[in-house]
Amino acid sequence: AQRVTQPEKLLSVFKGAPVELKCNYSYSGSPELFWYVQYSRQRLQLLLRHISRESIKGFTADLNKGETSFHLKKPFAQEEDSAMYYCALMSGATNKLIFGTGTLLAVQP
Amino acid sequence: GAVVSQHPSWVICKSGTSVKIECRSLDFQATTMFWYRQFPKQSLMLMATSNEGSKATYEQGVEKDKFLINHASLTLSTLTVTSAHPEDSSFYICSARSPWGNTIYFGEGSWLTVV
Repeated sequence: AQRVTQPEKLLSVFKGAPVELKCNYSYSGSPELFWYVQYSRQRLQLLLRHISRESIKGFTADLNKGETSFHLKKPFAQEEDSAMYYCALMSGATNKLIFGTGTLLAVQP
Repeated sequence: GAVVSQHPSWVICKSGTSVKIECRSLDFQATTMFWYRQFPKQSLMLMATSNEGSKATYEQGVEKDKFLINHASLTLSTLTVTSAHPEDSSFYICSARSPWGNTIYFGEGSWLTVV
């Protein structure tokens, strides 16, 4: 079964601290994985995707097929990073996005 | 960047009535759009995939006759909640697949409250 798991509902860190938002997936095949972010009162927007191997707003995520993980990391958190973060998997067969339950990141000053 | 717009942003309707939510891709043509439902503090649940010119594909457990989806053009998909009940109150979000790079863009969402 295709599944995305984000074990943490809430992650609270202080400004300047490192951040790691965990994401594990279950998928038979080669997955395409994404991180979406939803700032307060704004729409969901794409943060990054694993095939791009890019860094957006200081965030990076590496696909680890052995551990079936796609954790989101940032070395130094900023207050403006406070938002809801969703890990998502795209099914190659159906091209549907399957979302995790989301992690609320709260960066304290 | 690409823009997907939903209308209305919020709507209140009486039990038993029907309400329509529109989803438009403003600057690209989308052969495929998706409709999600999000309960407070929960994740997005895919309701159905809307395909231009053909019937929508519904996820397991979603009532086709209750949530009518029409994708009549390459820039518009509509979700009609028929005979609405208070338990249908939720945040409905649409998304559209861009014709380039397989990127999916999301609308701003529509709050439905059934009283």
